[in-house]
Amino acid sequence: EAGVAQSPRYKIIEKRQSVAFWCNPISGHATLYWYQQILGQGPKLLIQFQNNGVVDDSQLPKDRFSAERLKGVDSTLKIQPAKLEDSAVYLCASSLAGNSYEQYFGPGTRLTVT
Amino acid sequence: DQQVKQNSPSLSVQEGRISILNCDYTNSMFDYFLWYKKYPAEGPTFLISISSIKDKNEDGRFTVFLNKSAKHLSLHIVPSQPGDSAVYFCAASVFNNDMRFGAGTRLTVKP
Repeated sequence: EAGVAQSPRYKIIEKRQSVAFWCNPISGHATLYWYQQILGQGPKLLIQFQNNGVVDDSQLPKDRFSAERLKGVDSTLKIQPAKLEDSAVYLCASSLAGNSYEQYFGPGTRLTVT
Repeated sequence: DQQVKQNSPSLSVQEGRISILNCDYTNSMFDYFLWYKKYPAEGPTFLISISSIKDKNEDGRFTVFLNKSAKHLSLHIVPSQPGDSAVYFCAASVFNNDMRFGAGTRLTVKP
């Protein structure tokens, strides 16, 4: 079974630029999550999708971050414009509907904003 | 608001001995607790979990203990192996939503 795929693995941009990350969850997983992990901290949930609907985006900085999961499968997370404090690893995870306790994580995208 | 705390950033143990990783939480509404393991350049992988209605769950060399009155859980690894060297995250959730993670503990198992 293929795992959660993410791309790119690394990205370096200047502040005020925009960036997008892509995630393809495990086949059949209805729930998809985006997390931000700042160095030295645990992952912080940004947004949770159930199929193509948003379940929780309470911690998503909506003035600059956006995410979509149009067909209920893969998802993109966008930052526009980026700030220095957005430097982090962005993790995508997926789980079977109704069992989101056990989440399967992708390798993450390491973003550096200079 | 740091609802899940792992106060030890690192732990070093000898191969074959017991590793004990600790986690404290503040939200009494958490109903499910998990431990994830993370190797460098990889995403976290699920290790073991426990429901709030239990006080112990065991899976091979890994045992998680939950003390609800103290809002404390711990992960025991017996015996520890060099391949267990990784960062371990404690996580907690309320009704399947909004999982909160601790900052992680880096475990080093020395041969």
